[in-house]
Amino acid sequence: QKEVEQNSGPLSVPEGAIASLNCTYSDRGSQSFFWYRQYSGKSPELIMSIYSNGDKEDGRFTAQLNKASQYVSLLIRDSQPSDSATYLCAVNMGGNNRLAFGKGNQVVVIP
Amino acid sequence: GAVVSQHPSWVICKSGTSVKIECRSLDFQATTMFWYRQFPKQSLMLMATSNEGSKATYEQGVEKDKFLINHASLTLSTLTVTSAHPEDSSFYICSASSHGTSVSYEQYFGPGTRLTVT
Repeated sequence: QKEVEQNSGPLSVPEGAIASLNCTYSDRGSQSFFWYRQYSGKSPELIMSIYSNGDKEDGRFTAQLNKASQYVSLLIRDSQPSDSATYLCAVNMGGNNRLAFGKGNQVVVIP
Repeated sequence: GAVVSQHPSWVICKSGTSVKIECRSLDFQATTMFWYRQFPKQSLMLMATSNEGSKATYEQGVEKDKFLINHASLTLSTLTVTSAHPEDSSFYICSASSHGTSVSYEQYFGPGTRLTVT
């Protein structure tokens, strides 16, 4: 089993809709969870971090964490064309702050 | 806050030469820096983890004698690709992290260096 899995394929959403991204992880002891956004040809940019079960909202972004189910998600409300990017889920694997990354989900917002 | 710079942003070199890439944390002290490589349409691949003043820890399959990492200060780490070959052409990205501060556990990425070996 991969450390972090993001299985869904490219996601196309109309402008103004909600984009929903999911991620599962294998290490039950993980404590820190992150979502990064990566535009084509650019490096990843941290958009959300979450450490406790439940929801965390920041602007149009909401991260949801369920440690019992080893599941973390990201919702993007009122999607904009500028949200079109690849979203990477990352989980801290302990010691030295090493992060394990999922393969990413491409989001395309259609005007 | 939490700004990381990388230099150069792109470099073209001839096969057999060496290339040095610098990574700097501009507004915080990075106790740990990470080096990643990313091939087109693939996810990030962690190459090595370095702590200031210590030897880097390399991921399995990454040649430590080919990818030399130095983390001499809390704000600077360098990656040197020695005897570069065309298959080393990739997007190299560093990230920095700090313990015991408000940015603890979070990694902040530099803008990346695109290396092309001809």
